Amino acid sequence: NAGVMQNPRHLVRRRGQEARLRCSPVKGHSHVYWYRQLPEEGLKFMVYLQKENIIDESGMPKERFSAEFPKEGPSILRIQQVVRGDSAAYFCASSPLVGTDTQYFGPGTRLTVL
Amino acid sequence: AQSVTQLDSQVPVFEEAPVELRCNYSSSVSVYLFWYVQYPNQGLQLLLKYLSGSTLVKGINGFEAEFNKSQTSFHLRKPSVHISDTAEYFCAVSDYSQGGSEKLVFGKGTKLTVNP
Repeated sequence: NAGVMQNPRHLVRRRGQEARLRCSPVKGHSHVYWYRQLPEEGLKFMVYLQKENIIDESGMPKERFSAEFPKEGPSILRIQQVVRGDSAAYFCASSPLVGTDTQYFGPGTRLTVL
Repeated sequence: AQSVTQLDSQVPVFEEAPVELRCNYSSSVSVYLFWYVQYPNQGLQLLLKYLSGSTLVKGINGFEAEFNKSQTSFHLRKPSVHISDTAEYFCAVSDYSQGGSEKLVFGKGTKLTVNP
């Protein structure tokens, strides 16, 4: 059974470029969460999506950040015009369609902005 | 708003010694509680969780945690640690009152270092 997959594992961007982070949930899971981990900090919730719907984006910065979870394909977290403060580890988690309490985490994408 | 406080940012211990990692939470409603472990440059792995029932929860790798509602605590313990337990440990809470799977609120983490 494949777990949550994220790619790329490491991403380097220059200021002003765009970053696209991909997350493939566990097969059969239709709930996806994105979290950000800044250095020396715990994980902070960003957004919660179901297929084709954003359910809770209360943790997303108001500008430059967007997320989607299309009917087909992985979930995408997109950061436009990256700045140095966006450097962090971004983790995706998924949970099944039937209500459950456990979120399964991917290995994360480590974004470095030069 | 919910919050989680992990009182110790770093805990050094010797191998085979017992360890307790402390976690306190604040919430206006009943909660689910979790401990996750993160090894260097890896994702988070679930150690254990409290949903309801027995307040003593046993998890993987010999860890256990006790839910104390009156003290709003969920401390993680292991009677004898190994070098391989060196990692960062995160306590988290979710609000199940909204039904189903909801966002997790994490503490800042505790770095456990097990020395020979």
